[in-house]
Amino acid sequence: DAGITQSPRHKVTETGTPVTLRCHQTENHRYMYWYRQDPGHGLRLIHYSYGVKDTDKGEVSDGYSVSRSKTEDFLLTLESATSSQTSVYFCAISGLAPDTQYFGPGTRLTVL
Amino acid sequence: QKEVEQDPGPLSVPEGAIVSLNCTYSNSAFQYFMWYRQYSRKGPELLMYTYSSGNKEDGRFTAQVDKSSKYISLFIRDSQPSDSATYLCAIPPNAGNNRKLIWGLGTSLAVNP
Repeated sequence: DAGITQSPRHKVTETGTPVTLRCHQTENHRYMYWYRQDPGHGLRLIHYSYGVKDTDKGEVSDGYSVSRSKTEDFLLTLESATSSQTSVYFCAISGLAPDTQYFGPGTRLTVL
Repeated sequence: QKEVEQDPGPLSVPEGAIVSLNCTYSNSAFQYFMWYRQYSRKGPELLMYTYSSGNKEDGRFTAQVDKSSKYISLFIRDSQPSDSATYLCAIPPNAGNNRKLIWGLGTSLAVNP
């Protein structure tokens, strides 16, 4: 998985609780991304980062925030989880070729 | 009209068959095209990366771009059960800046022994 880890790999939580997902890379790549993947919707970009403390919104950013204080770590936070945020979350980093991305193993999140 | 469209399948073929997977796109300015493979409960992995029109071959896989028709294809020769996965096409709308990709929904492929 190109030196990308995600934690936790599985999580079950209750509506209204805060949740933080962590993405860690050992490749020292500048760009990092958070996606969610849902049946019928495919991969949708939540937020991305183009450097330490530099982030921007994707197409489904409502209800999510991110932080990147170090090159290797990109955190995704659900401030108050809702059932609609039940999904599989993937972190990705930019690849060597322009515009390519390499994905982590994913986090399966269930919000009850 | 979506910017990238991909038939979700599922597609089921016997082992050894030639498989054709396709995406259409709407913007003639798109320049780079990618195919990713995703096994069940895994992250997508980059399979092929092509620029402009023509063919690119890598082992049993061939990526083809027809810019006049705005159509991209992935061919798999001598398909194997290990090729059973979901195949996604991806296109950067602003090539070269690593910002975002437009993703197809993916085509689910099953290769039966």
